[in-house]
Amino acid sequence: QSVLTQPPSASGTPGQRVTISCSGSSSNIGSKYVYWYQQLPGTAPKLLIYRNSQRPSGVPDRFSGSKSGTSASLDISGLRSEDESDYYCAAWDDSLSAAVFGGGTQLTVL
Amino acid sequence: QITLKESGPTLVKPTQTLTLTCTFSGFSLTTSGVGVGWIRQPPGKALECLALIYWDDDRHYSPSLKSRLTITKDTSKNQVVLTMTNMDPVDTATYYCAHQERYNYGDGFDYWGQGTLVTVSS
Repeated sequence: QSVLTQPPSASGTPGQRVTISCSGSSSNIGSKYVYWYQQLPGTAPKLLIYRNSQRPSGVPDRFSGSKSGTSASLDISGLRSEDESDYYCAAWDDSLSAAVFGGGTQLTVL
Repeated sequence: QITLKESGPTLVKPTQTLTLTCTFSGFSLTTSGVGVGWIRQPPGKALECLALIYWDDDRHYSPSLKSRLTITKDTSKNQVVLTMTNMDPVDTATYYCAHQERYNYGDGFDYWGQGTLVTVSS
């Protein structure tokens, strides 16, 4: 059971906008930054969003992150077939003094 | 260019101790703000952060595995070593090491190794 809660799956059609949620608590998302990773099949995760809403260089602006209270969201606009992947949220947890991940969301592009 | 590579046994027996080495280049673990973490992923399951070590030797462990884990660094060799005792089949996973640069990306892991699959079986 992951500390952060994500829906196991999400889907959309090309061009659509999809939102993936991530729910935590006051000791992690509620007081710390949220990070998002994209993991294509058979590859290592890639940092997609850092500090709630910042994109590393090279990440398309179709990807955006936000946070409100103890929840966070990853939005993907203009969905493309290459966005089909697993997405993970992460944050530091002050109570655990450890980095925690969500259970992951498998995105399917229909 | 930052690179990380994991090395170690691909097969360990139950109760044995696992030792994994992360050899990196393109950065130094003596630089303020830099850290290296170990993250694992059982087949078909989620990511789990096992341990982190920082430039100042600050260390953090997964609370559920803390009694079994030790993370160390050798700055002269550009390596970070993770040991995990009393291995069990449920520890079968791909083990990744990853880089953190807190002043740029906070607690985000911006560079990852390719991962190494460790199977625990008798």
